[in-house]
Parts: sequence; C-alpha cells; structure tokens
Amino acid sequence: SAVISQKPSRDICQRGTSLTIQCQVDSQVTMMFWYRQQPGQSLTLIATANQGSEATYESGFVIDKFPISRPNLTFSTLTVSNMSPEDSSIYLCSVGSAVYEQYFGPGTRLTVT
Amino acid sequence: AQSVSQHNHHVILSEAASLELGCNYSYGGTVNLFWYVQYPGQHLQLLLKYFSGDPLVKGIKGFEAEFIKSKFSFNLRKPSVQWSDTAEYFCAVNTNRDDKIIFGKGTRLHILP
Repeated sequence: SAVISQKPSRDICQRGTSLTIQCQVDSQVTMMFWYRQQPGQSLTLIATANQGSEATYESGFVIDKFPISRPNLTFSTLTVSNMSPEDSSIYLCSVGSAVYEQYFGPGTRLTVT
Repeated sequence: AQSVSQHNHHVILSEAASLELGCNYSYGGTVNLFWYVQYPGQHLQLLLKYFSGDPLVKGIKGFEAEFIKSKFSFNLRKPSVQWSDTAEYFCAVNTNRDDKIIFGKGTRLHILP
C-alpha cells in the first residue's frame, strides 16, 4: 500500500492566477497520476507522470494549462494555470498500477472565483 | 473510446435492505474491473476487483460483484446494508493495454438508520 498526502487540501483562488498542488508519497513509485473530479462528474485522468520523462497528457488537457513536475520517485506537482471558474474541481493524485490497485490522495478542493 | 456507465446517481436505502448498483462498460477486449468507494471525508479506496477466474468476486465489508461478460456488466451487491455503507461508489475499468483506469460518474449511496 501507499500513503499519499496532498497540499493544499483546499484553496480559493482568483480568476487568472495559478495554483500548484503538491503530492507526496511515502514510498518510491514509478508512475503517478493526476485526476480531476468536477462537481457531479467522474474522475477524469489529466496526465501520467513518470520520473525522468515528460508527463503524458490525456485528450483535452495540455501542458501549458496543467504543467506537471516529477523531480523524484516520491513527489510530484500539478499546476493549474490561468485559472477560470471552470477549473473549480477536486484534483487527486494517485499512484500504483491499474493492473493491481491504485492508491489515491485525499484530494485538493479548488474553487476559482 | 472506453466508457463506464453507472445507472444510479443517488440511491437511498434503509438499513438491512439489499443493494445492487449497476455498472456497464464499453470495450470488447479483455478488461480489469474495479469498484472503488469513498466514505465521507476519506480517501478513495479499493472495494474489490476482477482480473480473471471466478466472475463472482468478494470484497471488503461484505460486498461482492459479478462480472457478466455477455452483458458487459459488473454490478455491485450487498445482501444487507448498514448505515456505515453510506458513501460514494465508483465503478472503473482498465483495458489491459495501459495503466489507465476509466471511472464511472459514481453512485451516491445514503443509508437511513
């Protein structure tokens, strides 16, 4: 199993600003995932972050809007850039394997005003 | 593209009632199937999973799910629910081609004491 922490747990931000969300894991992992959960919607994968390589973004998500860093095997950040109210969501970090199990962080609840 | 459909968005039951939450997926190949649960204020966690073998899988807290390949379904069941089962339940699928998990929109279950 893996224990994941995220910072901040929640934030209220103004339109046009950026927020960086941190994800810390208690063990070394190869793959980290970032998800978005909009109100009333399912979890949507934003990108997969492997240490030492560029993140792989899903359709509809671009690096300029959601830059990701993965400096080592226990840490990753997701930045939500130039925010608009449509970015209000819960952002989740997860680790593991879809073949076995993914472990999720507590999420960051973002509100953009 | 793969997708997951959960039939019920919000279910309200009394304690001791039987539960069945529907889940259908769209993908013609081999799949891994999951049910995740998020209790109020807690992380998303794995409830049960199916990879191969016996199509009836048992998970934690008395939950089980049955994989019916011909119906592309993976319904979640529990014979007698408890107030502590109040949570949001997510069905998810992985197609074995990569490490991505596709989630349904979730079913919010509310158990009346």
